[in-house]
Amino acid sequence: GAVVSQHPSWVICKSGTSVKIECRSLDFQATTMFWYRQFPKQSLMLMATSNEGSKATYEQGVEKDKFLINHASLTLSTLTVTSAHPEDSSFYICSARTGTLSSYEQYFGPGTRLTVT
Amino acid sequence: AQKITQTQPGMFVQEKEAVTLDCTYDTSDPSYGLFWYKQPSSGEMIFLIYQGSYDQQNATEGRYSLNFQKARKSANLVISASQLGDSAMYFCAMREGNVGAQKLVFGQGTRLTINP
Repeated sequence: GAVVSQHPSWVICKSGTSVKIECRSLDFQATTMFWYRQFPKQSLMLMATSNEGSKATYEQGVEKDKFLINHASLTLSTLTVTSAHPEDSSFYICSARTGTLSSYEQYFGPGTRLTVT
Repeated sequence: AQKITQTQPGMFVQEKEAVTLDCTYDTSDPSYGLFWYKQPSSGEMIFLIYQGSYDQQNATEGRYSLNFQKARKSANLVISASQLGDSAMYFCAMREGNVGAQKLVFGQGTRLTINP
């Protein structure tokens, strides 16, 4: 089956620093990748959609200058949380899908737990 | 208005019993898709089952079935013969538009606990 990995699986950083999270599709080409954020005991909220080679589309209320998304290849997307603050502490999950229009599935990564101290 | 509503924050079921997790949705788009995902404590999202709005029959995948009632806009997940390993958060999600559309909207989730 399709596998999506995320790295790191957890990270602790100090307030004011930046942290990069990688999302990789291991056995398929992901034309589109999605980034979600999940606060404790809450649902997944879509942050942005990124298509390979183009700028990400951010959801309303998500600061694009704070959450930098790069989708430079068909197997890798990165999310950089810039100048992180404690309120950015959350579980970040990526998902990916192929360009095959008949495929309805999104394949999720295992998530990255970010703690900002 | 909420696009996806899951009214059961928590459910407790005895092992081997069947359980129904409720999900109602709101859309005016005639083409949409409904998904159920399982999220164990490890955090990964596990795809369980999918129902397209034009599918004539209710979707089934092993012990999972989706009770799709289009007129009522409900897409309840039925788990037959529950197992201890079914304890997890369950999310209902919707994609509006055709299969090429991409965005998923998730409900608030239901925490299912299976008791031995």
